[in-house]
Amino acid sequence: EVQLLESGGGLLQPGGSLRLSCVASGFTFNNYAMSWVRQAPGKGLEWVSHISSSGDITYYADSVKGRFSISRDNSKNTLFLQMNSLRAEDTALYYCAKKRDGLRPGEFDYWGQGTLVTVSS
Amino acid sequence: DIVLTQSPGTLSLSPGERATLSCRASQTVTSNFLAWYQQRPGQPPRLLIHSASFRAAGIPDRFSGSGSGTDFTLTISRLEPEDFAVYYCQQYGSSTTFGPGTKVDI
Repeated sequence: EVQLLESGGGLLQPGGSLRLSCVASGFTFNNYAMSWVRQAPGKGLEWVSHISSSGDITYYADSVKGRFSISRDNSKNTLFLQMNSLRAEDTALYYCAKKRDGLRPGEFDYWGQGTLVTVSS
Repeated sequence: DIVLTQSPGTLSLSPGERATLSCRASQTVTSNFLAWYQQRPGQPPRLLIHSASFRAAGIPDRFSGSGSGTDFTLTISRLEPEDFAVYYCQQYGSSTTFGPGTKVDI
């Protein structure tokens, strides 16, 4: 059974930093590209960042480019999102999502339950 | 970026009825790379359809997707109680973006 378990969310002030993690199980992690997708409270879905299966190619939404960094440790089946210079508008539930197949950001066939990030003074 | 518009915003139907949801793109979606998701309250999204018309693994055949270019449709042939949820479309032909969602309620 595929499982994605996010952690690392919390409450922090504007300008702060946070590192999210997502531990994967039930599939061969190093064969699949992965993404982070967020959902502000009561709002829709927003794709944030994406990384290739090997970790050498990354993509970012314009809203987070230069502030967020995605990475992965295939030896530990773990995906990361380093979030710096956080803003109130980054407040959201952050989901880790598995790409169904292929390299580029696209359709996600498995999602975690999410970890909540709240940015407020 | 490609902007997706979903209509209607809310669809009020009864169990057993047919639901037709629309997703329109601001530009042609390359290779019809268009997906549909279902999200129930308190749950993550669930992939229903990819590449406009291909059902994802384990998805019941009452869900079907159609369309090409800029106009796409998700059809639920006979609504079951568990189908009342929010539905999002996503294009992944040029980077990726999601639509604002359609809520299907009773």
